[in-house]
Amino acid sequence: DTGVSQDPRHKITKRGQNVTFRCDPISEHNRLYWYRQTLGQGPEFLTYFQNEAQLEKSRLLSDRFSAERPKGSFSTLEIQRTEQGDSAMYLCASSPRAGLNTEAFFGQGTRLTVV
Amino acid sequence: DAKTTQPTSMDCAEGRAANLPCNHSTISGNEYVYWYRQIHSQGPQYIIHGLKNNETNEMASLIITEDRKSSTLILPHATLRDTAVYYCIVRPPTGANSKLTFGKGITLSVRP
Repeated sequence: DTGVSQDPRHKITKRGQNVTFRCDPISEHNRLYWYRQTLGQGPEFLTYFQNEAQLEKSRLLSDRFSAERPKGSFSTLEIQRTEQGDSAMYLCASSPRAGLNTEAFFGQGTRLTVV
Repeated sequence: DAKTTQPTSMDCAEGRAANLPCNHSTISGNEYVYWYRQIHSQGPQYIIHGLKNNETNEMASLIITEDRKSSTLILPHATLRDTAVYYCIVRPPTGANSKLTFGKGITLSVRP
C-alpha cells in the first residue's frame, strides 16, 4: 500500500500561467476528493469523484478550475490563468467504496505558489 | 460550514495525557464524529471516529457524551511527535454528502 500520491509536491508559477496537479489514489478506492488549504485554515472541500463521475463541486471551484478522473483511477486538477489568490496547498484524498463509513486517506499535498 | 467548535490551542507535557475537547451541539442522530490531525506540512491523518459509543485504537481514545453534543479525544501518553493541529469533524454516513468539512482545529503543542 503506497498511500495517496500527489505530484508535484511543490510548484511555483507566474501569474497567468496554467498548472496541472496529479493525484494517484490508493488502489481500488473509488472515491477521490480534492481540497485546498491556505495558511492557518483547515482544508476546504473543492470537489469529489466516485469512479470517473464528478458528483459534487464546491462554489470555491471557479471556472478557472477543472478536475478530471478519466478512467476512475488517477485524477488531475488544472488551474487556468493562475492568480496570486490561488496560492495554497492542494490536497487529494481517497476512500473505499460508498456504503461503508470509512475514513479518507490524504496525500502529502501539492504546494502552489503564484508569483 | 463546520459544525464543531474547538479551542484554538492547548499544550501538555510529554508523557502526560492530552485531552482535546470538541463541541458539536447540533449533531444529528446519524452523524459520526471524526478526528484527524495534521502535522506541519503534511496531509491530514485519520485518527479515530465514533457514533455514540466510546472508541479506542492504537492512536487514541474517543469519548462521546451521552447526549452526543460533545466529545473528547484522548492521547494517553503524548509525545513531541503528537504536536499538530487536531480537527474534530461531524460527518453524515457515506452517501451523497460524505465529504469531510474541516474547521480551524485545535493546535496541540507537546512540551518536553
